[in-house]
Amino acid sequence: DTGVSQNPRHKITKRGQNVTFRCDPISEHNRLYWYRQTLGQGPEFLTYFQNEAQLEKSRLLSDRFSAERPKGSFSTLEIQRTEQGDSAMYLCASSLSQGVGYGYTFGSGTRLTVV
Amino acid sequence: DQQVKQNSPSLSVQEGRISILNCDYTNSMFDYFLWYKKYPAEGPTFLISISSIKDKNEDGRFTVFLNKSAKHLSLHIVPSQPGDSAVYFCAASEYSGGGADGLTFGKGTHLIIQP
Repeated sequence: DTGVSQNPRHKITKRGQNVTFRCDPISEHNRLYWYRQTLGQGPEFLTYFQNEAQLEKSRLLSDRFSAERPKGSFSTLEIQRTEQGDSAMYLCASSLSQGVGYGYTFGSGTRLTVV
Repeated sequence: DQQVKQNSPSLSVQEGRISILNCDYTNSMFDYFLWYKKYPAEGPTFLISISSIKDKNEDGRFTVFLNKSAKHLSLHIVPSQPGDSAVYFCAASEYSGGGADGLTFGKGTHLIIQP
C-alpha cells in the first residue's frame, strides 16, 4: 500500500466549470476526510466519512460542493460552477477509528486553480 | 476567529540546537492536540499528539508540552537536524475517542534549520 492517493495532482479550470477530484485512502482505513488549504493558512476541515456514511460537514461545504464515498473505499469531491475563491489545495486523509491520537495519513493533495 | 493560533510564521534555528514551536488555542472544549509536519508539494505528516489528561508526550527527538490553564502547547525538537526544515502545523480536536473527527489547524510555522 502506497498511502493515500489523490488525482489529479493539479487542475486548472475556467470559472463556472465543474470539477471532480478522487481520493483513494489506505485500504484498511474506514475513515476518510476532505480538507482545503489556501495560501498561508492551515488545512480547513470540509467533511468526513466513516465507511460510506458522510458523518459531518463543515459550513465551508457550500451547496456547490458534494462528496461521495459510494462503497466505503475511494471518495470523490465535486465542485459545481467553480469560482475563483475555490482555488486551493484540496487534501484527502484517512484513518482508522482508533482514536484521534493516531492522527491521519494525508495524501499529497489536488491543487485547483480557477481562472 | 482563529481557534488555534501559531503566532510565529517562521523560525530559524541552528543545527544541533533546540527548536521550540508554540501554539495557543481558545476553545476550552479541545481535548486532543496534534502536530503535523509538511514539506513542499506533499501532504502534512502526523508527528506527535497529546491528550488533555497529560502535560507531556515524548517520541524520540520530539516532545510536546501542554499547559491547559494557559491554553498553550509547544513542540520541542532536540537536537534540530537539517531534515527538520518544514512547515509545522498545530491541530486540535474536541474528541479524544471513537476516532478522529474534524481537526482545527493553525496557520503553521516555517522552521528553517541552518547548518
